[in-house]
Amino acid sequence: GENVEQHPSTLSVQEGDSAVIKCTYSDSASNYFPWYKQELGKGPQLIIDIRSNVGEKKDQRIAVTLNKTAKHFSLHITETQPEDSAVYFCAASKETGFQKLVFGTGTRLLVSP
Amino acid sequence: GAVVSQHPSRVICKSGTSVKIECRSLDFQATTMFWYRQFPKQSLMLMATSNEGSKATYEQGVEKDKFLINHASLTLSTLTVTSAHPEDSSFYICSASYSTDTQYFGPGTRLTVL
Repeated sequence: GENVEQHPSTLSVQEGDSAVIKCTYSDSASNYFPWYKQELGKGPQLIIDIRSNVGEKKDQRIAVTLNKTAKHFSLHITETQPEDSAVYFCAASKETGFQKLVFGTGTRLLVSP
Repeated sequence: GAVVSQHPSRVICKSGTSVKIECRSLDFQATTMFWYRQFPKQSLMLMATSNEGSKATYEQGVEKDKFLINHASLTLSTLTVTSAHPEDSSFYICSASYSTDTQYFGPGTRLTVL
């Protein structure tokens, strides 16, 4: 089955710096890659996603890149702010009837003022 | 749009009792709902997938008689933890999906079994 690895497990940056989180997946049939932000005690919130027919997607300060050949995808956050501090999860799924997501292990991002 | 609610947000119960958690899609009809479990500082573990009107599909290792899932309508799914024990204490999160592969998550329910 699919396996998603995520690095780093923790990331500390200064406000205004950029942050990059990387994930690799094992199943070449996976074609949907969402990123979720989870704040303490809350459910995950979808922040951006990308499908395999696209190499890059951007939404304001957040961007995601996908390299299908290498089977890895990355989340880029520019001009980080303290409110970006949270745990970020990547995930991967195949386009099946149940759309099952396989999650990475999470990255704890801390943005210091 | 795509808002998912869960109720209750927190529940404390005695060992041996059953607890029901509701998951609702507020502004869309969810063809599929998912239930996850999350231990502290860990990732989300899929427990089961359910489609409206049909039996849930459980992941390997998840006891279907322990975690009863009902998906009675396109906006409501329930998870009942039967005969709860302290090891069932966890953060339970549902998600809902409609025609695309995107899942929208609820805020989670923290279950504490004494």
